[in-house]
Amino acid sequence: RKEVEQDPGPFNVPEGATVAFNCTYSNSASQSFFWYRQDCRKEPKLLMSVYSSGNEDGRFTAQLNRASQYISLLIRDSKLSDSATYLCVVREGSSASKIIFGSGTRLSIRP
Amino acid sequence: DVKVTQSSRYLVKRTGEKVFLECVQDMDHENMFWYRQDPGLGLRLIYFSYDVKMKEKGDIPEGYSVSREKKERFSLILESASTNQTSMYLCASHQGAQTEAFFGQGTRLTVV
Repeated sequence: RKEVEQDPGPFNVPEGATVAFNCTYSNSASQSFFWYRQDCRKEPKLLMSVYSSGNEDGRFTAQLNRASQYISLLIRDSKLSDSATYLCVVREGSSASKIIFGSGTRLSIRP
Repeated sequence: DVKVTQSSRYLVKRTGEKVFLECVQDMDHENMFWYRQDPGLGLRLIYFSYDVKMKEKGDIPEGYSVSREKKERFSLILESASTNQTSMYLCASHQGAQTEAFFGQGTRLTVV
């Protein structure tokens, strides 16, 4: 079983729609969680951290469910510019821990 | 402006050649990583380093080695390049578990 699993998509949704992705992780010792965004032929960049209580950044909401070992990303009122691959990232607690990426979920927003 | 710099954007090498991929970060980060990214497989960790001269194997270390002689520089070495090592290679660094990881722009390596 992969350490971090995501639905690869692609998700193809109309502009203005709400879309949600889930990501599951296998290591219960994981402490830090993030969503990264990667545009075509570019490097990944941090979209947002995921906090235990859930957090929101504009149209983006991230949630963590430790009991079921998954994190989620919700995008409201999607824009054409949201088209990208979204990568789920999980880290253990120590500063020397490796960073594990999911394989990414491709999102395409159509006009 | 924080920066992770990879020495080459595009590289073409022949089978059997020794290949060096260089990564330099200017943020004084302790932790550095090398990934390869392939379609449908996502980012897979090759090696990482949490201190000078320290290294840990990732998920796919076979065929690769690394060097971290200075804090700011983390090198990935393909001892004898093979065609199945054709891929996009990404270097990243971060300071601590709760902090953002920064990536270089990637090196697209083609082995012919």
